[in-house]
Amino acid sequence: GAVVSQHPSWVICKSGTSVKIECRSLDFQATTMFWYRQFPKQSLMLMATSNEGSKATYEQGVEKDKFLINHASLTLSTLTVTSAHPEDSSFYICSAGTGGSEQYFGPGTRLTVT
Amino acid sequence: QKEVEQNSGPLSVPEGAIASLNCTYSDRGSQSFFWYRQYSGKSPELIMFIYSNGDKEDGRFTAQLNKASQYVSLLIRDSQPSDSATYLCAVMQGYSTLTFGKGTMLLVSP
Repeated sequence: GAVVSQHPSWVICKSGTSVKIECRSLDFQATTMFWYRQFPKQSLMLMATSNEGSKATYEQGVEKDKFLINHASLTLSTLTVTSAHPEDSSFYICSAGTGGSEQYFGPGTRLTVT
Repeated sequence: QKEVEQNSGPLSVPEGAIASLNCTYSDRGSQSFFWYRQYSGKSPELIMFIYSNGDKEDGRFTAQLNKASQYVSLLIRDSQPSDSATYLCAVMQGYSTLTFGKGTMLLVSP
């Protein structure tokens, strides 16, 4: 149980375009979803926290107009990277929580912006 | 600022040995502590969590927590080459967000 999927698993896009990443909880309802970014040899950095039906809370330094998060249902959250640039190339990982302290991580999406 | 510190390694141990991974944290309000394993190019997978001072054992893994020293560790007994990965320590305050350390790379040689 507690499976989280992400789609796509990898994506290559051109600079200036937008990319949408989906995060789904497959067998449970996620009251909260988290979006992380991980650069090579670095740790996971939390970008934002979202609760179903409400606006996401962004961490300091994360541009909310660039990284659009929509948590439309208890099983789906999306992250849209708008006007992507090469420096946005990273490993994006979502996790889902049910209100307790445990988070279930998705497999991640590797974004490469050329 | 909440910080979680780990030695980046690599920590090299021979197969069958005990691997000891350490983590310190700055926020005394931290209540939950997690160890994740991350293989290269993959997302983290939870190994175990600990809330109370002392030891918690799960198979070959033992987590140790000392809140007074703000220190948490993970022991891996009978290390296997398949244990070679980066181990991430993470702390949580209440039911809020996780703060991760940079991870320690473990290399288990056959």
